[in-house]
Amino acid sequence: KAGVTQTPRYLIKTRGQQVTLSCSPISGHRSVSWYQQTPGQGLQFLFEYFSETQRNKGNFPGRFSGRQFSNSRSEMNVSTLELGDSALYLCASSFRSPGLKTSGANVLTFGAGSRLTVL
Amino acid sequence: GQQVMQIPQYQHVQEGEDFTTYCNSSTTLSNIQWYKQRPGGHPVFLIQLVKSGEVKKQKRLTFQFGEAKKNSSLHITATQTTDVGTYFCAGLFSDSNYQLIWGAGTKLIIKP
Repeated sequence: KAGVTQTPRYLIKTRGQQVTLSCSPISGHRSVSWYQQTPGQGLQFLFEYFSETQRNKGNFPGRFSGRQFSNSRSEMNVSTLELGDSALYLCASSFRSPGLKTSGANVLTFGAGSRLTVL
Repeated sequence: GQQVMQIPQYQHVQEGEDFTTYCNSSTTLSNIQWYKQRPGGHPVFLIQLVKSGEVKKQKRLTFQFGEAKKNSSLHITATQTTDVGTYFCAGLFSDSNYQLIWGAGTKLIIKP
């Protein structure tokens, strides 16, 4: 089955611009999470969506936003880009749903990422 | 808030030597997952540990979950060049709306 698809894979923007990244989860997965990864850094959690609702949010400024559509596809948007926003943005999908305690439900499948460069 | 501490940040080994990374939490975990990220790649799920004291093996990789479910380790025996990458643990706390909390990762570097 198809994996998690992220588009675009690479993009270059300038400071002050905005960017929208897209993520299509694995078929049947209803939870989508977004992470930021800077060179040599770990995974910084941005937010998680399930059934078009944001369920969890990390410690990022309001310039970072996201949404999820009825088909589970998700987008994240970064407005007023700063140089420090240059990073690999990773999307991950899972079966997870609120209250579901099946042990495998929380396993994440990541996409290849969208590498954003801000000049 | 909940944190998962992972050490070391880097480990340099000669090919054939062993490698170990450790994750610790101050509070009890529901379960812990391990992921591997190859250079230039994305994290890939390796394994999930759920039970207290659980030990699981995948070929040369041995994963352990502490008796108190507050710590975990990944041990690789006789490293190979294919093992190069960053290994992340991610813990699940039952009172965190089931959000995974990630360790900082341990980068395995094989000396030339």
